[in-house]
Amino acid sequence: GAVVSQHPSWVICKSGTSVKIECRSLDFQATTMFWYRQFPKQSLMLMATSNEGSKATYEQGVEKDKFLINHASLTLSTLTVTSAHPEDSSFYICSAQMGVVDSNEQFFGPGTRLTVL
Amino acid sequence: DAKTTQPNSMESNEEEPVHLPCNHSTISGTDYIHWYRQLPSQGPEYVIHGLTSNVNNRMASLAIAEDRKSSTLILHRATLRDAAVYYCIQNQAGTALIFGKGTTLSVSS
Repeated sequence: GAVVSQHPSWVICKSGTSVKIECRSLDFQATTMFWYRQFPKQSLMLMATSNEGSKATYEQGVEKDKFLINHASLTLSTLTVTSAHPEDSSFYICSAQMGVVDSNEQFFGPGTRLTVL
Repeated sequence: DAKTTQPNSMESNEEEPVHLPCNHSTISGTDYIHWYRQLPSQGPEYVIHGLTSNVNNRMASLAIAEDRKSSTLILHRATLRDAAVYYCIQNQAGTALIFGKGTTLSVSS
């Protein structure tokens, strides 16, 4: 199957700093990428949908000025958590959808564990 | 919100078949049914998906009811590595996957 990577796999930062998480599709082009976060013992919650070359669409309740998403190429999307606070500590996961919509398969990255002190 | 309902948990013995049920009574004619599974601290792993017909792959089989309002994921011979949270998701092609709580599968040796 297709491979999606995330970098870093984990990060610890101080409150008030910004953290950038990268999501890459390694062997296919992804016209659409999705960002999720997952708190302990909970399911994945969709944060935003990212289309290459256009602005991301955020889910209700997700602050677009706090969670900056950039999808500059067909293989890379980034999520920047600005002015991070302890409540932003979570497991962030991206997924990428192949350009061929009929396939309808989405492939997930391994996740990034963010801890804000 | 998730549109599917699944049991919170199921148990199985190693090397026995496992049938994981899912109800999706509001499914439309163009909605796909997806199954993913997730191990702790890992991203979800694709298992299988289908539209109308039953599907088989190397990991599992997907049996879809004739009215498409329910489906069953079949693991033919459970192993300890199959212990995970299994998510059943219905969605339109090209849209985001919305996860519910899933079914936590335990496998005993």
